[in-house]
Amino acid sequence: EDQVTQSPEALRLQEGESSSLNCSYTVSGLRGLFWYRQDPGKGPEFLFTLYSAGEEKEKERLKATLTKKESFLHITAPKPEDSATYLCAVQAITAGNKLTFGGGTRVLVKP
Amino acid sequence: AAGVIQSPRHLIKEKRETATLKCYPIPRHDTVYWYQQGPGQDPQFLISFYEKMQSDKGSIPDRFSAQQFSDYHSELNMSSLELGDSALYFCASSLLNQPQHFGDGTRLSIL
Repeated sequence: EDQVTQSPEALRLQEGESSSLNCSYTVSGLRGLFWYRQDPGKGPEFLFTLYSAGEEKEKERLKATLTKKESFLHITAPKPEDSATYLCAVQAITAGNKLTFGGGTRVLVKP
Repeated sequence: AAGVIQSPRHLIKEKRETATLKCYPIPRHDTVYWYQQGPGQDPQFLISFYEKMQSDKGSIPDRFSAQQFSDYHSELNMSSLELGDSALYFCASSLLNQPQHFGDGTRLSIL
């Protein structure tokens, strides 16, 4: 069974304090790994897709990387507006197009 | 850019009642997905449709059914509602094998 584990569960950062979120996965053939941002009461907002080990994607203060077992979401010099829950999800080759999500990391950036 | 539209945004029902949730995908997207997110939990895949045909099925109770219509909108029908059905229900859409984009969900509360 496909499994996704995110750590830490919660992260409190000072504005400008860079950090990394971890997403460990076990999947029977990875089609893609996805990062989403979710604000309270809203739907997940798509950030990145990573397809193969070694791939990196970048958007503003966020950078996602992928290895064969895990993915990292690096937040560089975060601002308060980066506060959100960050969700990692995998899509397995043998599981159609459904996403299997991790539990998320709640990030709070204080000014 | 147009996003996924879900209605209603909030719905209050009593036990044993029925509910219908609607989803209007992003124009030209051919695949629709339904997810359930319980309080403090990650989204769980329920069911998906590709070109109006069911393409994948997850942990959807037998009391629930869904379909995609000729205009590509989708409806999730829920019967014999239980307290445990209280959750956020998200619809997502995509082109096949492309990232899924989520709506802001329907918050269903069962009294």
